Amino acid sequence: AQSVAQPEDQVNVAEGNPLTVKCTYSVSGNPYLFWYVQYPNRGLQFLLKYITGDNLVKGSYGFEAEFNKSQTSFHLKKPSALVSDSALYFCAVRPPTSGTYKYIFGTGTRLKVLA
Amino acid sequence: SQTIHQWPATLVQPVGSPLSLECTVEGTSNPNLYWYRQAAGRGLQLLFYSVGIGQISSEVPQNLSASRPQDRQFILSSKKLLLSDSGFYLCAWSVRRGGSGEQYFGPGTRLTVT
Repeated sequence: AQSVAQPEDQVNVAEGNPLTVKCTYSVSGNPYLFWYVQYPNRGLQFLLKYITGDNLVKGSYGFEAEFNKSQTSFHLKKPSALVSDSALYFCAVRPPTSGTYKYIFGTGTRLKVLA
Repeated sequence: SQTIHQWPATLVQPVGSPLSLECTVEGTSNPNLYWYRQAAGRGLQLLFYSVGIGQISSEVPQNLSASRPQDRQFILSSKKLLLSDSGFYLCAWSVRRGGSGEQYFGPGTRLTVT
């Protein structure tokens, strides 16, 4: 079965330190990969995507993500965390045969950046 | 630029009452539209998606239904709400053709069934 895993329910990091939020997937073929962020009582905001090409993709708010095909991972990173980055982060995968619907979402990772 | 609206923002309804949540998209044509439910501030469950007017696909059998009466309007309904229908409801859209599939989400509706 196709799946997306975010193994950490919560990640704590000190302000100014680098952060990583992990995502691995089990999907056949070459999926499209996405990261979203959700602030309390708000909708999800698109951060970045990987379709093809360079394994390091850059997105909004200084975030980037590294695609690793052999490890089927797509980890979200930021060199220097801000308190305002505290939010819920979702990894999502669009299987290549899904058309333009049916993302598979991870269960989310809560990021807390401590001042 | 494209925007997506949802209303109401919050709703408190008694068990057994009807429901109608509305979602509209501006600035694009022929979008794919989606309804999700998020329980307990965590995982997202896809409820319905639509690739065109009157075309609705249901992902999970349940107490809810969806309709798309116009190209950029998506409505989530129920005839009789259950306690288990409480949650945060999110509408989203994506480009139907030619895009890489990212979905853009509305601000959500917080539904509490009492």
